[in-house]
Amino acid sequence: DTGVSQNPRHKITKRGQNVTFRCDPISEHNRLYWYRQTLGQGPEFLTYFQNEAQLEKSRLLSDRFSAERPKGSFSTLEIQRTEQGDSAMYLCASSLVGTGRLAKNIQYFGAGTRLSVL
Amino acid sequence: DAKTTQPTSMDCAEGRAANLPCNHSTISGNEYVYWYRQIHSQGPQYIIHGLKNNETNEMASLIITEDRKSSTLILPHATLRDTAVYYCIVRVATGSNYQLIWGAGTKLIIKP
Repeated sequence: DTGVSQNPRHKITKRGQNVTFRCDPISEHNRLYWYRQTLGQGPEFLTYFQNEAQLEKSRLLSDRFSAERPKGSFSTLEIQRTEQGDSAMYLCASSLVGTGRLAKNIQYFGAGTRLSVL
Repeated sequence: DAKTTQPTSMDCAEGRAANLPCNHSTISGNEYVYWYRQIHSQGPQYIIHGLKNNETNEMASLIITEDRKSSTLILPHATLRDTAVYYCIVRVATGSNYQLIWGAGTKLIIKP
């Protein structure tokens, strides 16, 4: 168990550029979540996947935000035409949900990607 | 909106028990209470969760009042490495998903 891995750890970009972040969940986990966290606040839920299906995306902040999990393993979060207000920490979490013995429905988080938009 | 209320900050002496309170007066019968902590520049770390019974694991104990309107996280022997922001969270069922509704947390500072 290597934990949830996020890359890059830090991203600095200019306003108007597109950015993409990657998340590799814990290998046997079937759910993957994206959150945004601004300074002094708790994480804010954005979207989640059950395997490759994106089951909730109404909380994505705008149509500039999109996420994919094409093969049910790693996921990417893309922000198009970045704005200074997008500067934040973007967190990924994964969990094992179901009725099996190992399913605990506990979300394990990565270290996050800190985005700075200049 | 957060369903929990926590003190903004707390201090505790190293080696003593740290007791972190949380109010969740609007919690529903099937909603769990989760605790996570976040050390500076790291992702949140799961600590413990419960529904109505008290829970204990290797990290902490969770005491939930009988009416479920409040709870207390107990770190039995705090160390300097326990300095972090502690989040008390209600897990809400939304369709096929469970959402963690986060507040601003309690900044716990362990003093030598």
